[in-house]
Amino acid sequence: DGGITQSPKYLFRKEGQNVTLSCEQNLNHDAMYWYRQDPGQGLRLIYYSQIVNDFQKGDIAEGYSVSREKKESFPLTVTSAQKNPTAFYLCASSTGVSDYGYTFGSGTRLTVV
Amino acid sequence: AQSVTQLDSQVPVFEEAPVELRCNYSSSVSVYLFWYVQYPNQGLQLLLKYLSGSTLVESINGFEAEFNKSQTSFHLRKPSVHISDTAEYFCAVSDRSNYQLIWGAGTKLIIKP
Repeated sequence: DGGITQSPKYLFRKEGQNVTLSCEQNLNHDAMYWYRQDPGQGLRLIYYSQIVNDFQKGDIAEGYSVSREKKESFPLTVTSAQKNPTAFYLCASSTGVSDYGYTFGSGTRLTVV
Repeated sequence: AQSVTQLDSQVPVFEEAPVELRCNYSSSVSVYLFWYVQYPNQGLQLLLKYLSGSTLVESINGFEAEFNKSQTSFHLRKPSVHISDTAEYFCAVSDRSNYQLIWGAGTKLIIKP
């Protein structure tokens, strides 16, 4: 079955470390997205990519980086510059045309220890 | 720019009672509208969507939403809720200028036994 796989489900990071969250899709979707979710704040867009080798900053890109070298993969790196990285991170993909909505992964919960 | 307002952050309701979760969007131009559901510690799942045609759309688990162009609303309703409906519900509107979804802040549905 087609879908989006995020790994790991839980991730612990020490302060000052970079960590990379994985997102892989086999839906042949062109567009991919990273969101951050904090309690009571809904979904906030970090980065998105509408095509391979191209990506755009979202509303809260500071302290994060991404790459899109393959259509199927859109990893997110949380750098040490992100001052408050503890959150639930969601990856999504779409055909690039909004009429079919987005498909989401099951999320990665990152905790800084 | 398009924006989405979910007026209630939480809606408590007794089991088997009806419920309405409100969603309003800002622009009256042609839009696509979506409701997503998020169960605890999971990603979002598409519940239902309005693209065109009949203004009343239904999901397979008894939810329905009505597109009201004049009031720019897309409220979600269920005539009788079950404990398993406990979740957070997100309304989203397409921004057809860049094919992205604009998200509401979410409404937590709390079912009281």
